[in-house]
Amino acid sequence: EAGVAQSPRYKIIEKRQSVAFWCNPISGHATLYWYQQILGQGPKLLIQFQNNGVVDDSQLPKDRFSAERLKGVDSTLKIQPAKLEDSAVYLCASSLDTGRETQYFGPGTRLLVL
Amino acid sequence: AQKVTQAQTEISVVEKEDVTLDCVYETRDTTYYLFWYKQPPSGELVFLIRRNSFDEQNEISGRYSWNFQKSTSSFNFTITASQVVDSAVYFCALSSFNKFYFGSGTKLNVKP
Repeated sequence: EAGVAQSPRYKIIEKRQSVAFWCNPISGHATLYWYQQILGQGPKLLIQFQNNGVVDDSQLPKDRFSAERLKGVDSTLKIQPAKLEDSAVYLCASSLDTGRETQYFGPGTRLLVL
Repeated sequence: AQKVTQAQTEISVVEKEDVTLDCVYETRDTTYYLFWYKQPPSGELVFLIRRNSFDEQNEISGRYSWNFQKSTSSFNFTITASQVVDSAVYFCALSSFNKFYFGSGTKLNVKP
């Protein structure tokens, strides 16, 4: 069974530029999560989708971050414009259902904002 | 409020030593789940175990074992006879009230 796929793996941009990350969850998983992990810290949830609806986006900086999961499968996370403090690893995870199910993580996208 | 505390920021051991990673959680939920994940230097979070709040039996998987004690709200993880490949950051997580909470992680260094 294929795992969670993410691309790109690495991205370097200058501040004020925009960037987009893509995630394809495990087949059949209804719930998709985007996390931000700053070096030395645990993952911080940015947004959670159940199929194509948003369940929780309380920690998403909506003035610059946006995410969509239009067909309830793959998802895109965008940052526009990027700030230096956005440098982090962006992790995508998926689970069969919301709440108590195990989350399976992709390899992450390492973003460096200069 | 729900919370996961991993008080050990970093642990260093010599290969073949046993090591225990501590995890303490807080929740008022009656049904919750606890998890451990491993994050090697490559960066991907690897699922290790999931345990529900009604199952306090300890679990062993090879060199790994987990001790769940509801009375002390702890879910500790022990690696027996550690190996260099065990070097990673280990995260404890709590699923409660339909949300996921990660601890801050414990970095384990296993030296040859």
